[in-house]
Amino acid sequence: GEDVEQSLFLSVREGDSSVINCTYTDSSSTYLYWYKQEPGAGLQLLTYIFSNMDMKQDQRLTVLLNKKDKHLSLRIADTQTGDSAIYFCAETPYSSASKIIFGSGTRLSIRP
Amino acid sequence: EPEVTQTPSHQVTQMGQEVILRCVPISNHLYFYWYRQILGQKVEFLVSFYNNEISEKSEIFDDQFSVERPDGSNFTLKIRSTKLEDSAMYFCASSGGLLAEPPYEQYFGPGTRLTVT
Repeated sequence: GEDVEQSLFLSVREGDSSVINCTYTDSSSTYLYWYKQEPGAGLQLLTYIFSNMDMKQDQRLTVLLNKKDKHLSLRIADTQTGDSAIYFCAETPYSSASKIIFGSGTRLSIRP
Repeated sequence: EPEVTQTPSHQVTQMGQEVILRCVPISNHLYFYWYRQILGQKVEFLVSFYNNEISEKSEIFDDQFSVERPDGSNFTLKIRSTKLEDSAMYFCASSGGLLAEPPYEQYFGPGTRLTVT
């Protein structure tokens, strides 16, 4: 079946890089995403990567995709207090034109 | 910046009652979705809607659920006879605009927390 797994918590020091990891089971995923959820807010699309790409960079965000290991990561450079949130890894399986399958979310907390 | 809005933010209802959750998608988007997140669980896909019909639905989306786009701006999710296990946060999303925005970039609303007592 289609499943996305990620660790539940990550704590980093302000100014350091954060790396949030995710694994997925569907080898035919078409798009993979990172969403951010701040308290009381909806799911904000941060970035996405096509399955035929290995890396995507967008300002402080770097997404790495290892299709062989079915591993996706999100690196946030120079982590700030405003980056505190829950980060969801997600994918659209090849079998679907529209649905997104989410991981449980990783709660990122920032230490001063 | 355009955003998806949802009303109400919190809905409390009694078991067996009908509820309608409302969403206003981003105005030029063509694809609409509902997801839900039961407390402590993952966000789950319920249904997608395009061109005034359901394009895909999950096993969760049974006969007690229905969706409608009653006018040019609203997108609604109706639960006919609520059960305790329908208590969850319900998220609406939209994607795919007339300016060739990709349909896979789904933009989510803040959610409606439904509590069934």
